[in-house]
Amino acid sequence: DAGVTQSPTHLIKTRGQQVTLRCSPKSGHDTVSWYQQALGQGPQFIFQYYEEEERQRGNFPDRFSGHQFPNYSSELNVNALLLGDSALYLCASSLGWSEKLFFGSGTQLSVL
Amino acid sequence: AQKVTQAQTEISVVEKEDVTLDCVYETRDTTYYLFWYKQPPSGELVFLIRRNSFDEQNEISGRYSWNFQKSTSSFNFTITASQVVDSAVYFCALSEGFSSGSARQLTFGSGTQLTVLP
Repeated sequence: DAGVTQSPTHLIKTRGQQVTLRCSPKSGHDTVSWYQQALGQGPQFIFQYYEEEERQRGNFPDRFSGHQFPNYSSELNVNALLLGDSALYLCASSLGWSEKLFFGSGTQLSVL
Repeated sequence: AQKVTQAQTEISVVEKEDVTLDCVYETRDTTYYLFWYKQPPSGELVFLIRRNSFDEQNEISGRYSWNFQKSTSSFNFTITASQVVDSAVYFCALSEGFSSGSARQLTFGSGTQLTVLP
């Protein structure tokens, strides 16, 4: 049973560029959440997708957007990258309203 | 607003010692969930335990135990007879907003880096 998978594992971009991160949820899960984890900090909630719609959003600017596909996989897009966007981006999946999340290993984004 | 505080930034113990990780939370809700996650160097957050606000029964699972006290808003985690493989960052987290239907996110503390020395 595959867990949550994320790609790529590492990414280097320059300031002002755009980036797309991908996530495949755990088998049987229909809800995907994205978190940003800066170095030395706890993860911060970006948004959650369910039934291909954004269900809830954290305190992140509109430069952060997402999408969920019919197969429940998801993408996180960040436009106009800033140096401060450098972080580990974690995807988590769950089933419906469950608050028990299963996390992937993350994508380490470095913005130069 | 919800808040989770892990005052211990780093803890270092020698193998076989017991260690307790502290977590204090703030919430206005009466219904909420508390969690502990472990993050090894690989980066993946590993779920350890979930407790709801109506269940103050403390739990022991192998070498792990949890102490939930609503009176002090604390949810502490103890590892008995620590092992080198326990070395990781441990996060306490809170989920609330169930009464308003907005319970979708986890609020994490800043984590405690546990190092177990051989």
